[in-house]
This record gives sequence, structure tokens and C-alpha cells, in this order.
Amino acid sequence: SQQGEEDPQALSIQEGENATMNCSYKTSINNLQWYRQNSGRGLVHLILIRSNEREKHSGRLRVTLDTSKKSSSLLITASRAADTASYFCATVLPSSYKLIFGSGTRLLVRP
Amino acid sequence: ETGVTQSPTHLIKTRGQQVTLRCSSQSGHNTVSWYQQALGQGPQFIFQYYREEENGRGNFPPRFSGLQFPNYSSELNVNALELDDSALYLCASSIQTSYNEQFFGPGTRLTVL
Repeated sequence: SQQGEEDPQALSIQEGENATMNCSYKTSINNLQWYRQNSGRGLVHLILIRSNEREKHSGRLRVTLDTSKKSSSLLITASRAADTASYFCATVLPSSYKLIFGSGTRLLVRP
Repeated sequence: ETGVTQSPTHLIKTRGQQVTLRCSSQSGHNTVSWYQQALGQGPQFIFQYYREEENGRGNFPPRFSGLQFPNYSSELNVNALELDDSALYLCASSIQTSYNEQFFGPGTRLTVL
């Protein structure tokens, strides 16, 4: 079964609005990563947050991590039509280098 | 774009056939991981190769096999293809000595008829 589950499965917003996606996971992690995928193409790494970190920023992206609740959120501020894509969280377990992906959130940003 | 390349881009096979997919790693990376992504799903880990040795395997049958070459490029081989093998196959390269990001190629879309 999937380690991570994203919520919501799909999100539609207007350009300029903020988009928030959530990810829950089941077991202890080394780090959690967010990736973006445009229509069935390769994944692009967005941001990595380690288990001892609570918040990270990268441009218009803000990621939080709550290890007590085993959850993370990705916030995209001032969204653009070009942000339309699927977003996946992926966890890395201790002593493992593989990524375990959730099922993704499909984001549509309407111009 | 990452420096990871995959070939071919698309492939159509019939049930029972065999297929080989190829991946070239980003320069300086010694680890390649392969993932299978069914339509509408997240990628599923198949296996990882580090310095030409298999370094971990997901829940895939033995008909999924791989190789890594001295230049760290890699192949994924699938024997006795089944309809459910239709998917996007992604490879990702990384430096295994850290828990950092993986760099993904554009994928190979495999259709099994």
C-alpha cells in the first residue's frame, strides 16, 4: 500500500489564488520530498524537508512537516496557469534510499 | 530539465513479448532507480542499482530485471509482458551516499496489447 496519501485528489483554483495540498504518511521517515509532474512526463523535484525540520521555503513554495501527525503540506502562493500539474509527496524511510510516492494531487489553475 | 535521458519515448508490445528500456544517468550520479507509474497513480518503486549491484527491490515479480553498466547507465528488462505492465516507466539517478533528491528522466510509455 502507498506510504503517502495526498489530499485533495484534485484542486481547481483561479490564477493568483493560493493552493494548498496535504500529504499524510504512515511510518517514520528520514525526509519528505515534493515533486511536480506535467501531463505524464518526468517528475521534477520541488523541495525536500528533513524529519528534524518543520518548515522550508523555496520561491513561491512553502512546505511544512509535522512528524507527530505524520503529515506535510505544500503551499503554492500567487498561483499561475503554468503551475497546472500533478503534485506528489514522496517519503524516504530511514536506512532506505527509495522514494515512496503518494497518489498525487491534480492542480488546475484557471487563467 | 535534468540530465537524465530515457529511450525509447514510446513503445507498443504484445502480451508475452519482452522489452528493454534504457536510461542514462546524470553526470556524477552512481545510482539509478526505476519506477512504474500506472495511469492516474503515483510512481511505484521497482528496484535500485548502485555501482552495478541491485540495492533494493520493490514488490515486482522476477520477470522485471535490470542492469547497471560501468558508466552508470541502466536497463530495465521485462519478460513475458502482461496487459497490466502498460504504464509510464521512469528512471531516476542520484548520489546514493545521501538522502537527497532524485533526478527523473522523461519516462518511457509502454503499451501492451
